[in-house]
Amino acid sequence: DSGVTQTPKHLITATGQRVTLRCSPRSGDLSVYWYQQSLDQGLQFLIQYYNGEERAKGNILERFSAQQFPDLHSELNLSSLELGDSALYFCASTYGTTNTGELFFGEGSRLTVL
Amino acid sequence: DQQVKQNSPSLSVQEGRISILNCDYTNSMFDYFLWYKKYPAEGPTFLISISSIKDKNEDGRFTVFLNKSAKHLSLHIVPSQPGDSAVYFCAASATGGGADGLTFGKGTHLIIQP
Repeated sequence: DSGVTQTPKHLITATGQRVTLRCSPRSGDLSVYWYQQSLDQGLQFLIQYYNGEERAKGNILERFSAQQFPDLHSELNLSSLELGDSALYFCASTYGTTNTGELFFGEGSRLTVL
Repeated sequence: DQQVKQNSPSLSVQEGRISILNCDYTNSMFDYFLWYKKYPAEGPTFLISISSIKDKNEDGRFTVFLNKSAKHLSLHIVPSQPGDSAVYFCAASATGGGADGLTFGKGTHLIIQP
């Protein structure tokens, strides 16, 4: 158990819809990262938050947005969903902001868009 | 453009033998490298890392080798055990470039045969 909690574990929805994925980081961690893993793809970095502020952006679509709340949990909002958005979405956390520390990953939220 | 490449989608090794997983990168700014292990229905977990100032790092049965001139790293597992069967992701970061997340390869599925 990494200490990172993601909900929901599975989600099935239709094209054009909007969903929210939630992540609770490990106790004490200030950084939250979101990654997308599509079929046969590696983990694609989407966005990072540190202590409530956006820290870095990766290959995140404009239809996607995220935020980190004062209690440090984070939400990833996916809107106008397309079939290609079907993927496993991972949240990871770490204490600081550097890239030399290990990331602790949640079990992921599997999104299926029909 | 894949900046971190794991060219072997899968690898089968006999129990007790050495497993060698390879990873190539293209971005010269990468100076920190990590390996993550992922079991089905779980998030990736950190395995071992290496800084570019080193060419080898060892942790028990796991050793990572870095060849900076070739932009290549490898993970050696000796001896391989059935519990090592998992997907292994290579990841890289540019620590001087800010917190822009880890760049992951697509993963290699290691299968340890009894």
